[in-house]
Amino acid sequence: QQQVRQSPQSLTVWEGETAILNCSYENSAFDYFPWYQQFPGEGPALLIAIRSVSDKKEDGRFTIFFNKREKKLSLHITDSQPGDSATYFCAASAGGTGSKLSFGKGAKLTVSP
Amino acid sequence: DPKIIQKPKYLVAVTGSEKILICEQYLGHNAMYWYRQSAKKPLEFMFSYSYQKLMDNQTASSRFQPQSSKKNHLDLQITALKPDDSATYFCASSQENSGNTLYFGEGSRLIVV
Repeated sequence: QQQVRQSPQSLTVWEGETAILNCSYENSAFDYFPWYQQFPGEGPALLIAIRSVSDKKEDGRFTIFFNKREKKLSLHITDSQPGDSATYFCAASAGGTGSKLSFGKGAKLTVSP
Repeated sequence: DPKIIQKPKYLVAVTGSEKILICEQYLGHNAMYWYRQSAKKPLEFMFSYSYQKLMDNQTASSRFQPQSSKKNHLDLQITALKPDDSATYFCASSQENSGNTLYFGEGSRLIVV
């Protein structure tokens, strides 16, 4: 059973546009939601994370919007750059545990110059 | 310089054989993990260790055996290899076994023929 779902699976935007990646989850106990960025041939790297007590987390051009009632969150990448082209994974865990993360299948973002 | 070293980076193995994937972390973390990433599946949690003790095991098959000879080592022994074991195996670490950022290695890509 897929506990974390991502959409779209792939997205192409022009340089300077805002890319929006969506994520939804099933388990109401999830309270920690990191987004990981992965480049080909590399391991995933933490990009930004939010806890369920917040509804927004911002770090530079990256913002997470979180809706606990609907069990949905989204990652917004403003002023997208070609260097942002990567696969983005939404993940979730329960009980404040960052270790046993459940990952979505990932979303491949391509930023065209 | 990579802080989590995984060896080998690429590996081709014959069905039925046994291989060991090596992981060493130099982040001073006391928790280590193994995740698997297959072509059509999300990143799957396999094991977590804290202070060299097994904390969680989400892998059904006993063919997968983690081995921790030192605090900063967590190797993964895979016996009786099957083609379905083909995947990229990621080692990760964190400062504690709860609520902290996971840092991933670059992965070991295993192909079983």
